[in-house]
Amino acid sequence: EVQLVESGGGLVQPGGSLTLSCAASGFSFSIYSMNWVRQAPGKGLEWVSYISGSGSTIYYADSVKGRFTVSRDNAKSSLYLQTNNLRDEDTAVYYCAKGGNWFESWGQGILVTVSS
Amino acid sequence: EIVMTQSPATLSMSPGERATLSCRASQSISSNLAWYQQKPGQAPRLLIYGASTRATGIPARFSGSGSGTEFTLTITSLQSEDFAVYYCQHYYNWLYTFGQGTKLEIK
Repeated sequence: EVQLVESGGGLVQPGGSLTLSCAASGFSFSIYSMNWVRQAPGKGLEWVSYISGSGSTIYYADSVKGRFTVSRDNAKSSLYLQTNNLRDEDTAVYYCAKGGNWFESWGQGILVTVSS
Repeated sequence: EIVMTQSPATLSMSPGERATLSCRASQSISSNLAWYQQKPGQAPRLLIYGASTRATGIPARFSGSGSGTEFTLTITSLQSEDFAVYYCQHYYNWLYTFGQGTKLEIK
């Protein structure tokens, strides 16, 4: 069974940083592309970032480009999202999602709150 | 950026009825479209990809159709567990975008 478990969220001040992690199990992590998708409170879904299985191809939404960095450790079956210079509008539940085009499995999500 | 527009924003239906949800892309995306279901407090669940292929374990009452710019998700004979928010998502290019969602509520 595929399992994706996010961690690392919490309350952070504007301008602060946070690193989110996603621990994967139940599938061959290294051969799958992964994504981060977020959802602001009461709002819709917003794709944030994509990373290929090898980590050689990475994409970001314009809203986070230059501030967020996605990475992965295939030996640990883990996905990461380093978030810097956080803004109020980055407040959201962040999901890691398996898949390269459509998102076939999702984690339960982790809340990031940016507030002073 | 490809803009995905879903309609209606809210759909009020009764159990047993047939629901039709629409999704329009601002440019042609071929069949590069997925549909998701999200219930309150839960992560989204993949229903359809490739515009019309049901994901593993998705009941046959869910079907997708369309190509180019116009897409439809049809749910025949609504069950109580189908009342949720539905999102479409394109993957025509790497700048994936979602529609704003359609809330399917019990009438």
